Amino acid sequence: EPEVTQTPSHQVTQMGQEVILRCVPISNHLYFYWYRQILGQKVEFLVSFYNNEISEKSEIFDDQFSVERPDGSNFTLKIRSTKLEDSAMYFCASSEAWAVGNQPQHFGDGTRLSIL
Amino acid sequence: ELKVEQNPLFLSMQEGKNYTIYCNYSTTSDRLYWYRQDPGKSLESLFVLLSNGAVKQEGRLMASLDTKARLSTLHITAAVHDLSATYFCAVDIRGTYKYIFGTGTRLKVLA
Repeated sequence: EPEVTQTPSHQVTQMGQEVILRCVPISNHLYFYWYRQILGQKVEFLVSFYNNEISEKSEIFDDQFSVERPDGSNFTLKIRSTKLEDSAMYFCASSEAWAVGNQPQHFGDGTRLSIL
Repeated sequence: ELKVEQNPLFLSMQEGKNYTIYCNYSTTSDRLYWYRQDPGKSLESLFVLLSNGAVKQEGRLMASLDTKARLSTLHITAAVHDLSATYFCAVDIRGTYKYIFGTGTRLKVLA
């Protein structure tokens, strides 16, 4: 079964450094998402992306965050100047369409980001 | 403020017992989703509920949706240890491309 893959599985970065988290969504999916989950807490929506542009973003997704689909397969999340509070598990997800039929989002295994 | 609240947050139950997890949401939504998350793992889709009165069942889990009450339930029948996990509901917000997840219910089934 096709799956969403994320790399790296764990990223350790010094505060203030830039970090790029990478995702390869399922190949025929058109909508892409990033979420974060601080340890033991709920899953928080960051951004949705379709047709090479951001469809929606949350208040968490400030100017320090950006997303990009640099080629036909990768979908990246960049944090420009990391803060301690950015430490979390970051999940990428993809879906065939937006809220059509019974299609859920498919999630990757996540990247654990640790800011020192 | 948009809220998706689950009740209870923690649930410890004996094997063989039944229980229901509740998900209340404050926004207008077209769809409600249930996911399972094992510790340190990703989210696995369980159910997608599309309309008022929708009911779906898979094994010992059954989910239902009441859009008028803005309430979904996840009913567990004759719980087994393998069901121990955290369960999240999520809704998509009508008119946006945004999903909101619930607070999560951490379920522990005791042998």
